[in-house]
Amino acid sequence: GNSVTQMEGPVTLSEEAFLTINCTYTATGYPSLFWYVQYPGEGLQLLLKATKADDKGSNKGFEATYRKETTSFHLEKGSVQVSDSAVYFCALRVSSGTYKYIFGTGTRLKVLA
Amino acid sequence: SAVISQKPSRDICQRGTSLTIQCQVDSQVTMMFWYRQQPGQSLTLIATANQGSEATYESGFVIDKFPISRPNLTFSTLTVSNMSPEDSSIYLCSFKTGDDEQYFGPGTRLTVT
Repeated sequence: GNSVTQMEGPVTLSEEAFLTINCTYTATGYPSLFWYVQYPGEGLQLLLKATKADDKGSNKGFEATYRKETTSFHLEKGSVQVSDSAVYFCALRVSSGTYKYIFGTGTRLKVLA
Repeated sequence: SAVISQKPSRDICQRGTSLTIQCQVDSQVTMMFWYRQQPGQSLTLIATANQGSEATYESGFVIDKFPISRPNLTFSTLTVSNMSPEDSSIYLCSFKTGDDEQYFGPGTRLTVT
């Protein structure tokens, strides 16, 4: 079946540190991949996406590359800020005629000043 | 991009009662979705709501417990019926764009006592 696995949190970093949040997936066909962010007390916001192999999604300094050979979509940022503290969700949408999204369990990031 | 809102933002309800959550989008959208996010967990799709047809429920969710209405292309409601403490969750609505992205409302935090 289709699934998304994320690294467990919480992840605690100092400001300006490098961030990696791992995400791997299992899917039939060629899914689209997404990262969503949920700030405290708010709903989910789309952070970035990639729709085919080797695509790189990027937004607000965050990047993720769709790696079909390793079935991964790891989220990276070169220098985190306190304002990046949030929960990050990796998600996939299966490709064949359905709009169902499957979400990972989320990774909480805490950035310390 | 379209704005999506939900009402109420939070509520505390007694077991055995029902709560109707409203979701409003400021432009017409074809597909709307309802999710549940239990404390500390990921999102689980409850159902897909298309205007003019009955909602499609995911495994484990039934219409008697979670009736959904979709009277037009900008509005949907989810009712949580005969509530128990296990229904305490955040309930989120979302819609799909033509670019195959989902945008989420801010969520309704429900506590059942």
